[in-house]
This record gives sequence, C-alpha cells and structure tokens, in this order.
Amino acid sequence: ETGVTQTPRHLVMGMTNKKSLKCEQHLGHNAMYWYKQSAKKPLELMFVYSLEERVENNSVPSRFSPECPNSSHLFLHLHTLQPEDSALYLCASSQEFSSGGRIHEQYFGPGTRLTVT
Amino acid sequence: GNSVTQMEGPVTLSEEAFLTINCTYTATGYPSLFWYVQYPGEGLQLLLKATKADDKGSNKGFEATYRKETTSFHLEKGSVQVSDSAVYFCALHGSGSEKLVFGKGTKLTVNP
Repeated sequence: ETGVTQTPRHLVMGMTNKKSLKCEQHLGHNAMYWYKQSAKKPLELMFVYSLEERVENNSVPSRFSPECPNSSHLFLHLHTLQPEDSALYLCASSQEFSSGGRIHEQYFGPGTRLTVT
Repeated sequence: GNSVTQMEGPVTLSEEAFLTINCTYTATGYPSLFWYVQYPGEGLQLLLKATKADDKGSNKGFEATYRKETTSFHLEKGSVQVSDSAVYFCALHGSGSEKLVFGKGTKLTVNP
C-alpha cells in the first residue's frame, strides 16, 4: 500500500449514529490534515496535526472529533451530524507542517463520501 | 486574508482544443501558487506549481505562469485529451501562512 489511503470510501449514517473515518499515510510524513469538500465551495481545512499534536482547528463544530494516535494514522470521529455535513472528506499529509516560509507539498487520499440522512 | 478566484465551470471542450482556466489571487507578500487536479473518484493531485514571480510551472502538457503584476496563475494546455477530464483547483500558500487556500474548482469535460 502506498500514498495516502482512506476508509471507508463511502459512508451513509443517520443523525444519531457515531462513526469514524480513517486515514493512513505510508509516506513517512509528519503532518496530516482533514479537509471538507462540499459542492460549489472551496476546500475547507478542518484540522492539522504535526507530530501527533493538533496545530490547527478551524472553528469546526464539536460533533467532529479528530484523533492522531501516531504520525501515520489520523481519524475523524463523527457523532450527531447534520445533513449539511454531507460532503467528501479528504485526508492529506506532508513531510512537515509548512511554516516559516518553507512549504511542503501535500499528498491527498481519495476521500470518504459521507451522506448524513 | 488570502483568497483565490477561479473561473466558474463547467468547461466542455472537444479533444485537441486549447484550454485556459483562469485563476487570480489576493495575498500579501510572495505566495507560492499551485494547480491541483482531481480525477473522478480520486483525491487531489498536485499538477504544477510556481514559487516566485515569472516562474512557469509545467507538467503533462499543462502550463501556468506566475504573474505578479496581474496576480494571476492561469492554467493552459495546447491540446486537451479525453483523459484530462477532471476538476482543476487553483491554490496558494502564503509566505507567512501555514495553510493552503483553494479556489472552488473548475470541472473540465473533454469529448472525443
């Protein structure tokens, strides 16, 4: 397995369910990201982890809860979601978290298509 | 704050046609500029990038030139193929920022 993988690829859940999205990167990277991609809107950065520490939380509702147990794995725990949370959730990783003018390319997974009913 | 504006799609072309997708940006300082491509059912892939003014990024026949005077980074390809059908995203990374800022994406369909 190479690159960035995400499971499941598709998920349908009711508003009262609890589910988790999983992301795994096989690139030896130290930074991982969750993005939300909705129709007709730019990609929205949700969370950033660098060396398993959360460094960015972009005003995301608490019904989304990230977890980064190690530098290769990233989870997004979901509970009591709303229909407007239906979207494609993309995971990405980069060698380091870009800072101080040094920019590291992000590598994206295929995404999880989430439908909240 | 930083922002990216790219042309609304969808764009439909015939094979071998010339492609231009416009992208303009607003940023302080000297951002780096990117084009990402998303093929159906897949995640985003970096297509090309330019890190300073007048740089030209190129890959797979696509080109874009970083124009600071017009704050633009238009994507061009001289002869598109059916396999180029995808959604294209313009993005910037500010010189003092840790985040990528994306445009809304432009869907390209190339017909045989």
